[in-house]
Amino acid sequence: QQPVQSPQAVILREGEDAVINCSSSKALYSVHWYRQKHGEAPVFLMILLKGGEQKGHEKISASFNEKKQQSSLYLTASQLSYSGTYFCGSQSNFGNEKLTFGTGTRLTIIP
Amino acid sequence: DTEVTQTPKHLVMGMTNKKSLKCEQHMGHRAMYWYKQKAKKPPELMFVYSYEKLSINESVPSRFSPECPNSSLLNLHLHALQPEDSALYLCASSMPALAGRSWNTQYFGPGTRLTVL
Repeated sequence: QQPVQSPQAVILREGEDAVINCSSSKALYSVHWYRQKHGEAPVFLMILLKGGEQKGHEKISASFNEKKQQSSLYLTASQLSYSGTYFCGSQSNFGNEKLTFGTGTRLTIIP
Repeated sequence: DTEVTQTPKHLVMGMTNKKSLKCEQHMGHRAMYWYKQKAKKPPELMFVYSYEKLSINESVPSRFSPECPNSSLLNLHLHALQPEDSALYLCASSMPALAGRSWNTQYFGPGTRLTVL
């Protein structure tokens, strides 16, 4: 089963913060986050491995709680360029080539 | 260079046609993927090639036939498709999971927008 993301869609004003959640019913080895703009390819943002680590990339950071099988993506002081659909991708075990993408969250940033 | 290229960008075909989608990467990646993406949905994995061998086939209908001629190229041959096969077809590549690094950051191409009439 694919991970479930929440919220499905969110509209923010520029400068506001957002949190996108990704929840899996299966044990996770790693979680990958991607952003896809309309009509474009998904772009890799970051990867988190099991161990509860938290990573950051400019004003975008993420956490991974392997016990809860959840990951969250945090967008701070959102910019217009953050608009797009965010997908988490779950890898179930070591060496597994397969990524299962979550249901997606559409983020719209307005001026 | 982190670029994955795909051709053509757009393809319109009839249900009796035979066509091919092409994907190329020069990052030295040894795993390549085909995904299908419908509007407002996540990418769905179709096939994975690892070291030029088919390692994952997600029960895709035989009217889709993948081919990996070498480590840089990936093709998807299409024959007798149905209108419901219309979608964005994405190619991706990564390094396969190796000892010491068990993850596989995937880099996506821009996709081929396929319309089946």
